[in-house]
Amino acid sequence: QKEVEQDPGPLSVPEGAIVSLNCTYSNSAFQYFMWYRQYSRKGPELLMYTYSSGNKEDGRFTAQVDKSSKYISLFIRDSQPSDSATYLCAMSSYGGSQGNLIFGKGTKLSVKP
Amino acid sequence: DAGVIQSPRHEVTEMGQEVTLRCKPISGHDYLFWYRQTMMRGLELLIYFNNNVPIDDSGMPEDRFSAKMPNASFSTLKIQPSEPRDSAVYFCASSFRKYEQYFGPGTRLTVT
Repeated sequence: QKEVEQDPGPLSVPEGAIVSLNCTYSNSAFQYFMWYRQYSRKGPELLMYTYSSGNKEDGRFTAQVDKSSKYISLFIRDSQPSDSATYLCAMSSYGGSQGNLIFGKGTKLSVKP
Repeated sequence: DAGVIQSPRHEVTEMGQEVTLRCKPISGHDYLFWYRQTMMRGLELLIYFNNNVPIDDSGMPEDRFSAKMPNASFSTLKIQPSEPRDSAVYFCASSFRKYEQYFGPGTRLTVT
């Protein structure tokens, strides 16, 4: 079983829809959870950063962590064509010199006007 | 701030040639990371530095790969000799706090 699993999609939704993107993981030691957005032929861009469990909201984006289920989600409200990109989850166990970021392979999202 | 700067943006080379990728991190960041991204394997960490010192190079695929960080504003990733299976997009990232990493635009490497 891979440490981080993410459905590659592609996911196609109409403009204005609520989008749900998800990752599951196997390492119960993960404490830091991140979502990155990657436009075509660009580098990943940090969107959201959550420590441990709970929800975090930033504008139209909400990140949710359920450690009991080893499941994280990113919700996008009122999706826009400019949200069309690949979304990668990333996670790590702890700080210091260990606990490198482990990335999911990404879900490709297309928001149609 | 200019962000993380990588050069070249594209590199096409023949098998057996030496390839050098360059990175300038964001000023003030003390972590620097080199990643490789392919369709098959996704984004993989190759090596990272903290305060110019290599901390973890366990992701470097083999001895053909080497990385240096001679000062806080410059790092190189070298592949010698290059092979077709090294074809990928190589990203450099930097951070002040380890997990809030900021990525450069990447170098798209093609080895024929």
